[in-house]
Amino acid sequence: GAGVSQSPSNKVTEKGKDVELRCDPISGHTALYWYRQSLGQGLEFLIYFQGNSAPDKSGLPSDRFSAERTGGSVSTLTIQRTQQEDSAVYLCASSADSGGDYEQYFGPGTRLTVT
Amino acid sequence: ILNVEQSPQSLHVQEGDSTNFTCSFPSSNFYALHWYRWETAKSPEALFVMTLNGDEKKKGRISATLNTKEGYSYLYIKGSQPEDSATYLCAPTTGQGGKLIFGQGTELSVKP
Repeated sequence: GAGVSQSPSNKVTEKGKDVELRCDPISGHTALYWYRQSLGQGLEFLIYFQGNSAPDKSGLPSDRFSAERTGGSVSTLTIQRTQQEDSAVYLCASSADSGGDYEQYFGPGTRLTVT
Repeated sequence: ILNVEQSPQSLHVQEGDSTNFTCSFPSSNFYALHWYRWETAKSPEALFVMTLNGDEKKKGRISATLNTKEGYSYLYIKGSQPEDSATYLCAPTTGQGGKLIFGQGTELSVKP
């Protein structure tokens, strides 16, 4: 079946602009996660959604970052007033449930470059 | 906040060599330990999810062990092949949802 898809694959934006990154999880997966990898850094948790529960936003680095998940499926990560330190690969993952023992399936990522 | 350490940071081996990496994590509040393989230009791919102390899992030439009491896991690759070249990531979870806290990874390069 189809895996996790993300769009765009690459995004170059000017500092101060807003960007939206999209994630389509595997059909039927109730949990959806966003991570990012900045240059020279490890993968960093940002936010996750589980069903209709309130999202865990504990990893969002600033209030310029927000995410929503509509209809329990597609998710959009929005970064307002982008800064150069936001440049990173943003990865989305989904799993059948949010229990810590469920495998997460990752998308190909969006490479964001802020100039 | 979990502090996850992986060693070595990078490893260069010849085809046919066997190798192993270490993942260290706090043993308190442990719930599960994930191993992922991340090849360049591809998505991270799940290798194992382990939960029980003493657990050992195997997939082909790759195996992993888990010690939750002392907070470490080993990943072994037997007879490394060039296609094993990738970054290997470990990530424990505390059970508060499935959010993964990744280590920096071990970058493996296997030369033919």
